Amino acid sequence: ETGVTQSPTHLIKTRGQQVTLRCSSQSGHNTVSWYQQALGQGPQFIFQYYREEENGRGNFPPRFSGLQFPNYSSELNVNALELDDSALYLCASNRDWGTDTQYFGPGTRLTVL
Amino acid sequence: AQTVTQSQPEMSVQEAETVTLSCTYDTSESDYYLFWYKQPPSRQMILVIRQEAYKQQNATENRFSVNFQKAAKSFSLKISDSQLGDAAMYFCAYTVKSSGDKLTFGTGTRLAVRP
Repeated sequence: ETGVTQSPTHLIKTRGQQVTLRCSSQSGHNTVSWYQQALGQGPQFIFQYYREEENGRGNFPPRFSGLQFPNYSSELNVNALELDDSALYLCASNRDWGTDTQYFGPGTRLTVL
Repeated sequence: AQTVTQSQPEMSVQEAETVTLSCTYDTSESDYYLFWYKQPPSRQMILVIRQEAYKQQNATENRFSVNFQKAAKSFSLKISDSQLGDAAMYFCAYTVKSSGDKLTFGTGTRLAVRP
């Protein structure tokens, strides 16, 4: 069984640029969630996708957007990057909506200069 | 709004001894789940243990166990026979089943294990 994978591992961007982060869900999982973890903090929920539809969103502006594909892999897009967007971005999948346990990928470290 | 509070930013334990990490949460929901996740320096968030709110019995996983006090909204993690590999950030997290498992995390406790 393949775990959750994310790419790239690290990324450096400059303010105002756009970035796309990618996530492959654990095999058989149809629900994916994205979290932002600032340095020294716990992860904050960004949004969730279930069967290719956005299914809930945290307190993040519209410049944070996402997609889920038919194979249940997912992308997180951030436009007009700001310095405060520098963080670890975590993707997590679960087997089905409401099955309670999420499994996390290793994260993408984004640095905005 | 649901909140999760971890009041111990850092803890230290001697190898082979026992340590308890504290967590309290606030919710008006009745059907929810609680988790402890471990985040080592490699950054990957690893599930340590989970507890269903409707179960009175405390969850255990090998050296890890919880003390779940529903009325007090308390969910502490006990690590027995601590090992050097237990050194990590530990996050307490909460989810409501009806929310699709979106997790609310605490701010974490950094655990150091002394050899």
